[in-house]
Amino acid sequence: AQSVAQPEDQVNVAEGNPLTVKCTYSVSGNPYLFWYVQYPNRGLQFLLKYITGDNLVKGSYGFEAEFNKSQTSFHLKKPSALVSDSALYFCAPLWGKLIFGQGTELSVKP
Amino acid sequence: DARVTQTPRHKVTEMGQEVTMRCQPILGHNTVFWYRQTMMQGLELLAYFRNRAPLDDSGMPKDRFSAEMPDATLATLKIQPSEPRDSAVYFCASGLATSGRCYFGPGTRLTVL
Repeated sequence: AQSVAQPEDQVNVAEGNPLTVKCTYSVSGNPYLFWYVQYPNRGLQFLLKYITGDNLVKGSYGFEAEFNKSQTSFHLKKPSALVSDSALYFCAPLWGKLIFGQGTELSVKP
Repeated sequence: DARVTQTPRHKVTEMGQEVTMRCQPILGHNTVFWYRQTMMQGLELLAYFRNRAPLDDSGMPKDRFSAEMPDATLATLKIQPSEPRDSAVYFCASGLATSGRCYFGPGTRLTVL
């Protein structure tokens, strides 16, 4: 069965430090892979996507994600976190439809 | 900036009442999704349409939920009768099948008492 996992419910980092939000998926074939962010009381916003090509994808707000086919992972990263990055982050493979992970709450403290 | 719009933004109703949520997708988008978000279940896909045709509604309780696209500018999600466990935020999203990227509306926060 197709599935996606975000193993951490919450990630805490200090402002200025690098951050990683993990995502793994289980699928046959080569899905498109997405990251979305949700700020409080808002809808989801697109951050970035991977279709093919370079395994490191750059997106909005300084975020990037690394695709690893052998590990079926698509971890979200940022070299230097900001307090304003605090939000809920969703990984979503696309198999005809977007299937969202449970989400990871990122908290960046000053 | 083109946006997905949803109405109403908030709805409080009593158990047993009918609830209709509306969504206006971005003009030109050919795919429309309905998602439900709760603390316990996270984001669940209820249904989605391509070119107004329902492709998958397996995530939707069939006995009480129905989703339609009367035309390309309107998608509706109806609950009849509503139950307290339907309390959630319902999101509509639209996109182009070729890109896969979705644009989400602001959501309808439904409370069923």
